[in-house]
Amino acid sequence: DQQVKQNSPSLSVQEGRISILNCDYTNSMFDYFLWYKKYPAEGPTFLISISSIKDKNEDGRFTVFLNKSAKHLSLHIVPSQPGDSAVYFCAASGGYQKVTFGIGTKLQVIP
Amino acid sequence: DTAVSQTPKYLVTQMGNDKSIKCEQNLGHDTMYWYKQDSKKFLKIMFSYNNKELIINETVPNRFSPKSPDKAHLNLHINSLELGDSAVYFCASSQDSGSRTDTQYFGPGTRLTVL
Repeated sequence: DQQVKQNSPSLSVQEGRISILNCDYTNSMFDYFLWYKKYPAEGPTFLISISSIKDKNEDGRFTVFLNKSAKHLSLHIVPSQPGDSAVYFCAASGGYQKVTFGIGTKLQVIP
Repeated sequence: DTAVSQTPKYLVTQMGNDKSIKCEQNLGHDTMYWYKQDSKKFLKIMFSYNNKELIINETVPNRFSPKSPDKAHLNLHINSLELGDSAVYFCASSQDSGSRTDTQYFGPGTRLTVL
């Protein structure tokens, strides 16, 4: 039962363009959402988060948008850089401590 | 300085063996976790400890036993290893009471292969 879905396993974007990574969730109890970034042979690292009381959160080149009615969130990276090439995990939580991760989307930024 | 470290990085073993994976964090965090990333790439929480006490215990076979000698360490012991245990295991830690809004810091992972 996938409560957090990342339907695009991979995405290729030209350097300098916008990368948009999408995530859908099914559990209405989720009220806190995170994006983690993972390079090969490393653990995931926290990138950005958003609470359900907001619909947008921005941190430098990274912006997360939340559409609660659609149970959808997206991560925008502008401008994309080759160093952004990694696997991006969407995650959500709604209960004490437990965080549910999506399967990840592999982003490749082409120089 | 490695914030969350795991040993070993790779572990290859035979079915039926018992093995342990060690995790240490030097961040002064109160909560530690074990996650399993299976062949389908799902990252699923297995256990969570807060100040050496078990907080989360997901549906995991009781062949898996976490042990927290102190709040900086959370080791994972696996008995009678099975083929399906092959996966990458990630340790993580977070600051306070393990609130779901706490950022989790992950170790580099341990790739376990059961033959």
